[in-house]
Amino acid sequence: GAGVSQSPRYKVTKRGQDVTLRCDPISSHATLYWYQQALGQGPEFLTYFNYEAQPDKSGLPSDRFSAERPEGSISTLTIQRTEQRDSAMYRCASSLGTGNTGELFFGEGSRLTVL
Amino acid sequence: QKEVEQNSGPLSVPEGAIASLNCTYSDRGSQSFFWYRQYSGKSPELIMFIYSNGDKEDGRFTAQLNKASQYVSLLIRDSQPSDSATYLCAVNVEYGNKLVFGSGTILRVKS
Repeated sequence: GAGVSQSPRYKVTKRGQDVTLRCDPISSHATLYWYQQALGQGPEFLTYFNYEAQPDKSGLPSDRFSAERPEGSISTLTIQRTEQRDSAMYRCASSLGTGNTGELFFGEGSRLTVL
Repeated sequence: QKEVEQNSGPLSVPEGAIASLNCTYSDRGSQSFFWYRQYSGKSPELIMFIYSNGDKEDGRFTAQLNKASQYVSLLIRDSQPSDSATYLCAVNVEYGNKLVFGSGTILRVKS
């Protein structure tokens, strides 16, 4: 697509439920990132993919969080057994190459509220 | 110690003045440095990047890098009310594609 597309834009769920967020990056972009952004804070790194490989998932807060990008394009971020502290904006971004670059294009984000 | 540190502000400057935004980072091996702008309720967007020590100018924006002091700054000349936003400093860690953001500095330009 022309830009990074995320869905859903808003998700309200009850504590203990599982949630899956989706990201469709810019076509041909090799690298895809997931960030978590709390209100008034900068984006916190969760994980990234080079095509379908996931070289770094050091930012995932716990084993309740997982991400995949099975065909090197669309990615999903799944949070199992959600907790109230998981409430945040989840941002996906993509970049063209696989080299050490910081030119990220962000999607509009998925705002998750856990009641 | 956080990997990338910024003063949260808000930094208030009058219209037409120079706004100076600062950032320090902890990973001495970092090679690439970026400034993103984030308007309220919007996503971050890249405005400047710098890889080498010294200054890099782009229009009203100048990025400055001092690797010895592990310090990056962004100068905005002739500040406009439309520059009011949160400015995020981001740093590539030494290996891989991990890009670490600071918490951002809120800039308010008063007309």
